[in-house]
Amino acid sequence: DIQMTQSPSSLSASVGDRVTITCRASQGINNYLAWFQQKPGKAPKALIYGASSLQGGVPAKFSGSGSGTDFTLTISSLQPEDFATYYCQQYKSYPQTFGQGTKVEIK
Amino acid sequence: QVQLVQSGAEVKKPGASVTVSCKASGSTFTSHHINWVRQATGQGPEWVGWMHPNSGDTGYGQKFQGRLTMTRNTSISTAYMALSSLTSEDTAVYYCTRGDSSGWSWGQGTLVTVSS
Repeated sequence: DIQMTQSPSSLSASVGDRVTITCRASQGINNYLAWFQQKPGKAPKALIYGASSLQGGVPAKFSGSGSGTDFTLTISSLQPEDFATYYCQQYKSYPQTFGQGTKVEIK
Repeated sequence: QVQLVQSGAEVKKPGASVTVSCKASGSTFTSHHINWVRQATGQGPEWVGWMHPNSGDTGYGQKFQGRLTMTRNTSISTAYMALSSLTSEDTAVYYCTRGDSSGWSWGQGTLVTVSS
């Protein structure tokens, strides 16, 4: 199975901050990587697919980059509604696997 | 993009079986795999298995082999996940998901509680 290592596991940031989350795959996955946001008690909300393509309806403050084994999710200017847990997901091969999540909290 | 609507919460006793449905709309049902993912409270997501709605082909996570069955009814664009021999460790929210050329869609989730 492909292991996904996400970092940091949590971070504290202020409104307006630029935030970067990284995800590393244990083997190359080309660009078969998605990012999603999850708030407590809610279903995941897809943000990015294909490592860098913005999901429809998702604001442009979210961006993704990377290919192969190393990927990043960037939030350009953190807003109150962005405080949540973020996960990466590889879909290059089955079983699909997920990072352990990054909880973004208010400083 | 496809919309996925799942069936409601279930409460089951240990040893019982549960079936969760996932109805797709807004896109061709048979064109892309349907995946199932579960998430226990406070935990990260865990992939359960996949099904191709056109062929009915399936692939299951190793820990679910022998007690997981995925089926579909193409006439009503609905996928089903059935899990048997339930234990308390199967208590989780179960999601159906689908990826296509415009990204990933997730159902709203179905809480399955296993309790005596």
